[in-house]
Amino acid sequence: KAGVTQTPRYLIKTRGQQVTLSCSPISGHRSVSWYQQTPGQGLQFLFEYFSETQRNKGNFPGRFSGRQFSNSRSEMNVSTLELGDSALYLCASSLEAGGDYEQYFGPGTRLTVT
Amino acid sequence: QKEVEQNSGPLSVPEGAIASLNCTYSDRGSQSFFWYRQYSGKSPELIMFIYSNGDKEDGRFTAQLNKASQYVSLLIRDSQPSDSATYLCAVNIWGNQFYFGTGTSLTVIP
Repeated sequence: KAGVTQTPRYLIKTRGQQVTLSCSPISGHRSVSWYQQTPGQGLQFLFEYFSETQRNKGNFPGRFSGRQFSNSRSEMNVSTLELGDSALYLCASSLEAGGDYEQYFGPGTRLTVT
Repeated sequence: QKEVEQNSGPLSVPEGAIASLNCTYSDRGSQSFFWYRQYSGKSPELIMFIYSNGDKEDGRFTAQLNKASQYVSLLIRDSQPSDSATYLCAVNIWGNQFYFGTGTSLTVIP
C-alpha cells in the first residue's frame, strides 16, 4: 500500500506571495493532519480534517488554511508569506477506525521564504 | 507548561547498550501515546504506540506507560548505530489532535 505523498517536495517563495501544498493520504485513511516543523519550535499542529470537515485547529494565524476533498486528499494554503513561515510542512494521515489513531507522515514539503 | 516534555539530550550510548528515552505529559485525559523516529532531513516514522498502562514490546523496542505518573518511555535494546536519530514522543489527548515533544537526540557510538 502506498504511503502518504506530498507535493511539491521543495518550494521557494518570496515574502507576500501565497502557496498551496498538497497531501494524498494512505488509501482508506480519512483523517489528514498538517504540521509545521522548525528547528526552534519542533512539530506544531496546524489543523486536522476528517470527511472534508476541519475538526481540530492549532494556534496559527488565519493566513494558514486548508481543505479536504471527497477523496480525502488535502491541501494547505498559506497567504501573505512571511520569512518565519520557512519550515518543513508535514502531512500525516490516520485510519481512525475502532480507536486506531496511529498517524503516518508523508515526506514533507520544505518551504523557503526569501 | 508544555503538553509534552522530553529531555532534548543529546543522549549517547555505546553500541549494544540499552537506550532509555523518557517523556512526560500534562493532560490526564491523554488517551494514546506514540514514539516516532526522525532521521536528519527526513519525516517522522512511527515506531511504537501504546494505549494501556504497562509495557509493550516490538522487537528491540519496548514502550512503557504509567498513566498515574503521566510518564511514557521507550527502551531500545541492543542499540545500533542505525538507531542514531531524534526520537519524538506524541500524545493524543482527544479525537485526533496530537501534541509532540521537541524530541531527544540519540547517538549510538560504535
